[in-house]
Amino acid sequence: DGGITQSPKYLFRKEGQNVTLSCEQNLNHDAMYWYRQDPGQGLRLIYYSQIVNDFQKGDIAEGYSVSREKKESFPLTVTSAQKNPTAFYLCASSPAGTGQETQYFGPGTRLLVL
Amino acid sequence: AQSVTQLGSHVSVSEGALVLLRCNYSSSVPPYLFWYVQYPNQGLQLLLKYTSAATLVKGINGFEAEFKKSETSFHLTKPSAHMSDAAEYFCAVSGDTGFQKLVFGTGTRLLVSP
Repeated sequence: DGGITQSPKYLFRKEGQNVTLSCEQNLNHDAMYWYRQDPGQGLRLIYYSQIVNDFQKGDIAEGYSVSREKKESFPLTVTSAQKNPTAFYLCASSPAGTGQETQYFGPGTRLLVL
Repeated sequence: AQSVTQLGSHVSVSEGALVLLRCNYSSSVPPYLFWYVQYPNQGLQLLLKYTSAATLVKGINGFEAEFKKSETSFHLTKPSAHMSDAAEYFCAVSGDTGFQKLVFGTGTRLLVSP
């Protein structure tokens, strides 16, 4: 089955702790994305990557970091600098292109602060 | 910069009634437009997309949307609501960056009563 997997489903963070959210895809897509979802605010782009070993900041990158060492993997680290990390995090992937390509989403990770 | 406005954070219909979810966009270039659906605690699934071919786009689960350039709108409709349509719906736009970067609306929650 082709698709996107995210783990864990729920993640708890303590004050001052960095946590890493996993995202893996087997769709052979070049582009991958991380979004943050808060109630009533829709989805906001954190980081995106068009190709291995390259990534760009989205609209709300402060307090987050990413890596793209393999085509199929795009982990997101929520650092201690992110003061309000409680949210639903969604990973997506798509073929590279000019804007009309469909993004496919994973099931999400819900991050909660202890 | 592109943007999307979804009128009504909540829409309530009776089972069997017409569903109409509104989306207006702003774009300085011909846009690509998308409707996604999200069920509770899940990722997003593509319903349909407009990519400058036919202005009336048919999607999954009996949904369709019409692109109206003069009104800068891309409203989502379904002739007869089903209980299983209860979910959150997001409109999104892309096309002005030469890359697949989606800008999402804030979402509309559809409630279906028996």
